[in-house]
Amino acid sequence: AQKITQTQPGMFVQEKEAVTLDCTYDTSDPSYGLFWYKQPSSGEMIFLIYQGSYDQQNATEGRYSLNFQKARKSANLVISASQLGDSAMYFCAMREGYTGGFKTIFGAGTRLFVKA
Amino acid sequence: ETGVTQTPRHLVMGMTNKKSLKCEQHLGHNAMYWYKQSAKKPLELMFVYSLEERVENNSVPSRFSPECPNSSHLFLHLHTLQPEDSALYLCASSQGITGQSSVVYEQYFGPGTRLTVT
Repeated sequence: AQKITQTQPGMFVQEKEAVTLDCTYDTSDPSYGLFWYKQPSSGEMIFLIYQGSYDQQNATEGRYSLNFQKARKSANLVISASQLGDSAMYFCAMREGYTGGFKTIFGAGTRLFVKA
Repeated sequence: ETGVTQTPRHLVMGMTNKKSLKCEQHLGHNAMYWYKQSAKKPLELMFVYSLEERVENNSVPSRFSPECPNSSHLFLHLHTLQPEDSALYLCASSQGITGQSSVVYEQYFGPGTRLTVT
C-alpha cells in the first residue's frame, strides 16, 4: 500500500493566486513527520516546510502553509501569491518516528506550472 | 560554504568505467543518505550512514559501493553500471536518524549528480 499519495501529477495556477497541492498519507505510527520539498528543474531538493504529528498548529513558512488534517491523514501544501519561480516539482514526504527507522518515504510528486 | 554540496553535477560514463560521486555537508549533521531519482519514479533510498556507520542498504546492486570516511563526507563508487542506472543521484544529511525516539529529523539535500550511463 502506498504510504504517500499525491493525486495531482500536474497543476496550473495563475501568477499571484493561491494553489493547494494535495497529499495524503498512511501510517499507524503515532509519531511521524510530514515534509514538503520543492525540486526545480536544476535538480536540487529544497526543504520547504515540516509538520510533526503532535504539532497543534498548522506549520507556516512565509508563503507556504501546511493544511494538516490528522483525522483525514492529509497534509496539503498551500502556496499563497504564486510566483513564476514557484514552477517546479513538489514532493510530499513522511518519516515515521518509531517504526520508520531511517527512511523518508516520498510521494510521486506534483508538477506545478505558474502562468504569467 | 554551507549546506550540502555534490560533485560532479553531471557525469557521463561508459559501462566499463569506474567513477565516484562525492557529497559533503557543512551542517554538522551526523547522518547522510544516498537517493536515486529515476524519471517518473519516486525517490528511492539507497544507503544510510549514521556516525560513519552504514545502517541501511536498501537492496542496492553491488555495482554501487558507498563510503563514509567521516561524518561530513559521503562517496558513491560506481563500476560496471548499466544504462538503467542513469538517474539523478541525490545526497542528503540530517542531524540524526529517526529511530527509538520520537524526534523526526528533516533531511537537507544536495543539488544532485545527473548520471548518464552510455
